[in-house]
Amino acid sequence: DTGVSQDPRHKITKRGQNVTFRCDPISEHNRLYWYRQTLGQGPEFLTYFQNEAQLEKSRLLSDRFSAERPKGSFSTLEIQRTEQGDSAMYLCASSRRQVVGPETQYFGPGTRLLVL
Amino acid sequence: AQTVTQSQPEMSVQEAETVTLSCTYDTSENNYYLFWYKQPPSRQMILVIRQEAYKQQNATENRFSVNFQKAAKSFSLKISDSQLGDTAMYFCAFMNTNAGKSTFGDGTTLTVKP
Repeated sequence: DTGVSQDPRHKITKRGQNVTFRCDPISEHNRLYWYRQTLGQGPEFLTYFQNEAQLEKSRLLSDRFSAERPKGSFSTLEIQRTEQGDSAMYLCASSRRQVVGPETQYFGPGTRLLVL
Repeated sequence: AQTVTQSQPEMSVQEAETVTLSCTYDTSENNYYLFWYKQPPSRQMILVIRQEAYKQQNATENRFSVNFQKAAKSFSLKISDSQLGDTAMYFCAFMNTNAGKSTFGDGTTLTVKP
């Protein structure tokens, strides 16, 4: 399978705990994105990387959220001191930056987080 | 900031018929890209079709086509000969030409009835 993979697929945690999600992009893709999707809504942008550099962070990404992409390969998204409002689907997408024309983002299956 | 609005939360269509999903957006940019994504139940999101704003010709991909009205900032998706496998949530998305992130609408849930 050469698509975008995410781990774990489901996570249940108690409020106040820390959680970490992993995303493995398509191997030749240099851009990697994190989105959050709550029930009945479209994905909301959180942050993205080009190679190992984090180029943009949404205002949605509070201080409790941190993302890394060491060596420009896989990425991790950590949420510290989780709150019930963090319950959502966390989507990862990857793409190859195009010099001209739109890049196609390929999405992973997502990690569904439930904070009790 | 860009916004994307999908005014139809739910739609249904009979198998083999045609359905059109609506999308409007707001931007001050002149060059950008627009996308329709499909998210089947419990499955990952996939790209259906995309349109570059500088192209006047509407994009077509097999049974899927768009009606892009730049002045009206409208980008509707037409699905012809609907199939049961088209049942999914459909998202309209906007992307600036100089930024990779996408802004999504809240989606339209499409049900194709046999």
